[in-house]
Amino acid sequence: AQKVTQAQTEISVVEKEDVTLDCVYETRDTTYYLFWYKQPPSGELVFLIRRNSFDEQNEISGRYSWNFQKSTSSFNFTITASQVVDSAVYFCALSEGSGGATNKLIFGTGTLLAVQP
Amino acid sequence: NAGVTQTPKFQVLKTGQSMTLQCAQDMNHEYMSWYRQDPGMGLRLIHYSVGAGITDQGEVPNGYNVSRSTTEDFPLRLLSAAPSQTSVYFCASSYRDSRQSFFGQGTRLTVV
Repeated sequence: AQKVTQAQTEISVVEKEDVTLDCVYETRDTTYYLFWYKQPPSGELVFLIRRNSFDEQNEISGRYSWNFQKSTSSFNFTITASQVVDSAVYFCALSEGSGGATNKLIFGTGTLLAVQP
Repeated sequence: NAGVTQTPKFQVLKTGQSMTLQCAQDMNHEYMSWYRQDPGMGLRLIHYSVGAGITDQGEVPNGYNVSRSTTEDFPLRLLSAAPSQTSVYFCASSYRDSRQSFFGQGTRLTVV
């Protein structure tokens, strides 16, 4: 069965620290997609990244980077030099199938990141 | 563009009452979905649709009905509300081959 595990319930860091949010997934499909979403205190869901199962290249976008390792079924998210505005709940999600199936996301339970000034 | 619009934003129901949560999108997306978000459980899929006239159940469909008579609208119906349905509900839409789902602002529902 498909499952996404975010073992870190809450993380607290001081501004400018680097922080890594862990995501471990389970799936029987060979084709699947992994996502990260951010939910700030205002409550909306903000898309951050989608990665398909055939692309294991790490990705960097500004202070954000993602490390995808199929060997350990992990898709970890690192924020470099964290800022107070990064405080949010971060969700990792999985969808299966070659079409990306963005309408059938399986979410982890989320990690609450608190960045202290 | 309005994107994905959910109404109402807040609602309090009494046990046994019925209501419909509205979701509308103006992006001509084929896919639409409903999720509920509960503390410590992330978001869970309730129902989804791949196009007008086509719906299917997600992980937690019991107590909810949906229909998709138009591409734009995907209402979620609670026929007899229960306290266990107290939650934040999110509607999402996307193109079939798009990179991401677009989410509405959410509806916070309390059943007393």
